[in-house]
Amino acid sequence: IAGITQAPTSQILAAGRRMTLRCTQDMRHNAMYWYRQDLGLGLRLIHYSNTAGTTGKGEVPDGYSVSRANTDDFPLTLASAVPSQTSVYFCASSEGTDSTSEQFFGPGTRLTVL
Amino acid sequence: GQNIDQPTEMTATEGAIVQINCTYQTSGFNGLFWYQQHAGEAPTFLSYNVLDGLEEKGRFSSFLSRSKGYSYLLLKELQMKDSASYLCAVMDSNYQLIWGAGTKLIIKP
Repeated sequence: IAGITQAPTSQILAAGRRMTLRCTQDMRHNAMYWYRQDLGLGLRLIHYSNTAGTTGKGEVPDGYSVSRANTDDFPLTLASAVPSQTSVYFCASSEGTDSTSEQFFGPGTRLTVL
Repeated sequence: GQNIDQPTEMTATEGAIVQINCTYQTSGFNGLFWYQQHAGEAPTFLSYNVLDGLEEKGRFSSFLSRSKGYSYLLLKELQMKDSASYLCAVMDSNYQLIWGAGTKLIIKP
């Protein structure tokens, strides 16, 4: 079934640990995104990639890094987790980056940093 | 700064009509999106407006006024399954989506 998968579904992590959230899409979409969603706030863009081999910073990039080695995968890494990174993380993709491209979302990863 | 405002929560009755408003101030405008998000799930696309006016899609309609920085989502013949959060998002001049905090819609029998 075409779509976006994320792993893990949820994770509890000790502060200071390194963590990589995985995201894979099989729709051959060019653009991919990482968002975090916190209670009372809108989705906030962490990093994005308009096409394989390129990445860009979103609204809240500090403490996170991404890579886009191929079209399908877009992992998000927390180098040294802090409690403020406790959130629900959504990966999304879109066919293009123009205004008509709707974004398709993965099921999310619920991350708790203690 | 960029800002998207929508009510935090609304309550409506099954079978009725509800209108969820969204006002925005962004650096540039390349379209407005509405998404639905059920609790614990991912957002899913509902509608897209780039020109002024009403777009109708079944029980759901979305309206846009660019001059007023205003949109609404109209849901008709409400069903219990419509209980969800509704997210308004504007695509800015950099083609990035700026999201509102969402409106939690509670449907009562």
